[in-house]
Amino acid sequence: GAVVSQHPSWVICKSGTSVKIECRSLDFQATTMFWYRQFPKQSLMLMATSNEGSKATYEQGVEKDKFLINHASLTLSTLTVTSAHPEDSSFYICSAIRTGGNQPQHFGDGTRLSIL
Amino acid sequence: AQTVTQSQPEMSVQEAETVTLSCTYDTSESDYYLFWYKQPPSRQMILVIRQEAYKQQNATENRFSVNFQKAAKSFSLKISDSQLGDAAMYFCAYRSYGQNFVFGPGTRLSVLP
Repeated sequence: GAVVSQHPSWVICKSGTSVKIECRSLDFQATTMFWYRQFPKQSLMLMATSNEGSKATYEQGVEKDKFLINHASLTLSTLTVTSAHPEDSSFYICSAIRTGGNQPQHFGDGTRLSIL
Repeated sequence: AQTVTQSQPEMSVQEAETVTLSCTYDTSESDYYLFWYKQPPSRQMILVIRQEAYKQQNATENRFSVNFQKAAKSFSLKISDSQLGDAAMYFCAYRSYGQNFVFGPGTRLSVLP
């Protein structure tokens, strides 16, 4: 089956630090990757859609200068939380899909980000 | 805009019994796809089952099956012979071709021994 690797799984850092999260599709080429944020006991909130070789499309209310997304290859997308603050603490999940209309999303295991 | 509604924030079922989780959606599209995802306490998102809207036959995957009613825009998930490992958050999701996924708010399922 399709495997998506997300790293790191948990990061704790000081306020003002920038944090990079990687999302890799291990056994398929992902034309599109998604980045979600999930608050406790809530559903997934789409932050941005990332297509290989082009700029990410951000959802309304998501600061693109705060959450930098790079999709440099068909197997790797990165999310960088710049100058992180405690309010950025959350669970971040990436997903990837193959080309094709009915393809499901394959999710990474998520990253728990804690900003002190 | 498409929306997905899960009217049951929490459900519980006795082990070995059957439970049905509800999902309704709103769309003007005729061609789309529906999914159920499971999120256990580990928080990993796991695909449970999917359905193409053009298919009249309901999808089944072992103990999991759906009741897809296109006219009613309803997509319920039935779990038969419930097991302790089925305890999780369940998210219903919708996607039309080339568009983003839209997730419902989720239903927390507890399985009682």
